[in-house]
Amino acid sequence: GENVEQHPSTLSVQEGDSAVIKCTYSDSASNYFPWYKQELGKGPQLIIDIRSNVGEKKDQRIAVTLNKTAKHFSLHITETQPEDSAVYFCAASKGNAGNMLTFGGGTRLMVKP
Amino acid sequence: GAVVSQHPSRVICKSGTSVKIECRSLDFQATTMFWYRQFPKQSLMLMATSNEGSKATYEQGVEKDKFLINHASLTLSTLTVTSAHPEDSSFYICSARDSRTETYNEQFFGPGTRLTVL
Repeated sequence: GENVEQHPSTLSVQEGDSAVIKCTYSDSASNYFPWYKQELGKGPQLIIDIRSNVGEKKDQRIAVTLNKTAKHFSLHITETQPEDSAVYFCAASKGNAGNMLTFGGGTRLMVKP
Repeated sequence: GAVVSQHPSRVICKSGTSVKIECRSLDFQATTMFWYRQFPKQSLMLMATSNEGSKATYEQGVEKDKFLINHASLTLSTLTVTSAHPEDSSFYICSARDSRTETYNEQFFGPGTRLTVL
């Protein structure tokens, strides 16, 4: 089955700096890669996703890159703000009906004001 | 759009009792819903896949007789934790897939239910 590894497990940055979180996956058939933000006591919220037919996607301060050859994808947050502090999860899926998401272990991001 | 609700948000029960958690897709139909369990400072672990009108598919190691899942309509799935014990205390999260976009596995998550078993 699919295995997703995520690094780092914790990340502390100063407000205004950039943050990068990296994930690798094992199943070359995976073709859908979402990123979720989870605040304390809440469910995960989708912040951005990428499909295997593109290499990069950007939405304001958030961007995701995908390298299918190396089987890794990354989340980039620029101009970080204290409200970006949360746990971020990457996931991978084959995208076919019935296929589930496999989650990475999570990254606790702390943005210091 | 794509809102998923869960009820209750928190529940405290005595050991040996059963607890039912509801998951609803509010503005879309979901033929498939998923139930996850999350322990403190850990990732989400898939427990089962809930399919409307059929039996749920459980992940390895998850007892189907302990975690009863019913997906009786396109907008509602329920998880019943039977004979709950303190080790069942956890954060239970559901997600739903929009039936119109099932070619890609976009999942929309509920806010979670905190279960504490005394």
